[in-house]
Amino acid sequence: EAQVTQNPRYLITVTGKKLTVTCSQNMNHEYMSWYRQDPGLGLRQIYYSMNVEVTDKGDVPEGYKVSRKEKRNFPLILESPSPNQTSLYFCASSRRIPRDNQETQYFGPGTRLLVL
Amino acid sequence: EDQVTQSPEALRLQEGESSSLNCSYTVSGLRGLFWYRQDPGKGPEFLFTLYSAGEEKEKERLKATLTKKESFLHITAPKPEDSATYLCAVVVAGGSYIPTFGRGTSLIVHP
Repeated sequence: EAQVTQNPRYLITVTGKKLTVTCSQNMNHEYMSWYRQDPGLGLRQIYYSMNVEVTDKGDVPEGYKVSRKEKRNFPLILESPSPNQTSLYFCASSRRIPRDNQETQYFGPGTRLLVL
Repeated sequence: EDQVTQSPEALRLQEGESSSLNCSYTVSGLRGLFWYRQDPGKGPEFLFTLYSAGEEKEKERLKATLTKKESFLHITAPKPEDSATYLCAVVVAGGSYIPTFGRGTSLIVHP
């Protein structure tokens, strides 16, 4: 079954304690991205990756890091989380950059993060 | 500044009552417009991509259309299972792929 998985699904942490949210896809997709979703603000892209070792900033990258060492994995790292990073996070993937052709983008189930 | 505005914010329909959702955009040049469906507690599910004015796409009871300023998602004879939040996003021509999302329309279809 084609899917994007994220772990953990729920996380409560404290300010300053480093954390990693994992994302994995089993579709051999080149393009992966991270979004955060906040009430009243909609979905905003944090980082994206067009392929292994190729990453770039989205609209709201401050306070986040990513890496793409393998095609299937795209972890989101919060080195020193702060309360304003409390949000619902989604990972997504597609075969290629979804601006050409009809590239379906698959989203993961989401990770709800609370930073105290 | 690129903007995407969805209306209405919320819509309640009776089963079988057709209606339309709107996504208006102001961007320097449109590369593509995407529609998604999002159920509570889940990630968005891709529905359609539209690339040029006049283009239309259909899937079951849903039909998406695109003009130079806006897109409509028409829902014909909706069923309760169509209840969800519908999101649209635009990608601007040139440069990197960073989609701008609207805030969504919450649709409830009553039986």
